[in-house]
Amino acid sequence: AQSVAQPEDQVNVAEGNPLTVKCTYSVSGNPYLFWYVQYPNRGLQFLLKYITGDNLVKGSYGFEAEFNKSQTSFHLKKPSALVSDSALYFCAVRALNDYKLSFGAGTTVTVRA
Amino acid sequence: EAGVVQSPRYKIIEKKQPVAFWCNPISGHNTLYWYLQNLGQGPELLIRYENEEAVDDSQLPKDRFSAERLKGVDSTLKIQPAELGDSAVYLCASSLRTGQGAGELFFGEGSRLTVL
Repeated sequence: AQSVAQPEDQVNVAEGNPLTVKCTYSVSGNPYLFWYVQYPNRGLQFLLKYITGDNLVKGSYGFEAEFNKSQTSFHLKKPSALVSDSALYFCAVRALNDYKLSFGAGTTVTVRA
Repeated sequence: EAGVVQSPRYKIIEKKQPVAFWCNPISGHNTLYWYLQNLGQGPELLIRYENEEAVDDSQLPKDRFSAERLKGVDSTLKIQPAELGDSAVYLCASSLRTGQGAGELFFGEGSRLTVL
């Protein structure tokens, strides 16, 4: 069975500081990894994905994520956080030959001015 | 390009009443998903369609939940009768069908159900 762990329920940072949201995964075989963001009363919006190739992937709104196979991690990062980045972030994993996408429980990010 | 459209956005019903949610996916997306999102949790898959065929409904509580996608486009998710524990957000998503299953999902804004 595949699963995702987001060890932090909440992350608080000051505007302008770097932001990291942690994610570890478990899946049989090669993973496809995704990050989504959810603003209040809105659906999930796709941020970025890792399929293959370069371990550092860049996505929307200045976010990037680093795939680390040995640590089975896919942490989301942003060099300089904005107040508008305050939202709920979900990491998700899918196995190579499976369409089922499994989500973590989410991490609430609060960026203070 | 229009996104995934869901309705209603909010629904309040009394327990034992029926309720239905509608979803219109992105044009050209063969794959449609219904997810359940409880408060403070990540979405959980209820059912997945490839065109009009339900290819994965293993997580759908079939005693009270049903879904259909008759023409391979719009989909409806029904609950009858609703229970208090069904209060949640019901998310619809769609994606292109890719050979390696690598396509990202595009989500609607969800239908928030409150059962009293």
